Amino acid sequence: AQKVTQAQTEISVVEKEDVTLDCVYETRDTTYYLFWYKQPPSGELVFLIRRNSFDEQNEISGRYSWNFQKSTSSFNFTITASQVVDSAVYFCALSDHLSGNTPLVFGKGTRLSVIA
Amino acid sequence: EAEVAQSPRYKITEKSQAVAFWCDPISGHATLYWYRQILGQGPELLVQFQDESVVDDSQLPKDRFSAERLKGVDSTLKIQPAELGDSAMYLCASSSRGLARLTGELFFGEGSRLTVL
Repeated sequence: AQKVTQAQTEISVVEKEDVTLDCVYETRDTTYYLFWYKQPPSGELVFLIRRNSFDEQNEISGRYSWNFQKSTSSFNFTITASQVVDSAVYFCALSDHLSGNTPLVFGKGTRLSVIA
Repeated sequence: EAEVAQSPRYKITEKSQAVAFWCDPISGHATLYWYRQILGQGPELLVQFQDESVVDDSQLPKDRFSAERLKGVDSTLKIQPAELGDSAMYLCASSSRGLARLTGELFFGEGSRLTVL
């Protein structure tokens, strides 16, 4: 069975600090996708990144970076120089690729508060 | 930019009443999902449609919940009777068959927040 664990329930940082959100996943599939979504107070889930299980290259997008390590089944998300607008709940999710339409399995989320 | 539309955004109802949520996926998306997100938790799948057919409703409490997608386009999720524990955000998501197979990505609506008193 697929499972996503986000051990950090809440994190508070001061603006401009770097922060890393942890994600550990479990799957028996060899081909899968990992995602990060942001959920601001408005409620909509905003897609941030998708990572194929075959691609272990780390990715950087502006202040966001992702560290994918298959050896430890982790897909951690780092925000550099955090801003107040980064305050939200962040979800890590897992999808089985092969079936083509398997729904996402989400972690419980990490609530990030960035204090000015 | 195409969006997944959901209504209502907010719904307050009393216990034992009936409530319905509507979702219009992105045009052309054959796969539609209803997720429930309880406060402080991640979204959990309730039901998945492929066109007008139910693919997975194993987590749908069928004694009180029903979902339909009659013409394979928009969808309705109904709860009757509502219970206190049904208070949650109900999220609709969609994906095209090809896109899901390639990337697994889902597109989410803004959700319908239900409060049962």
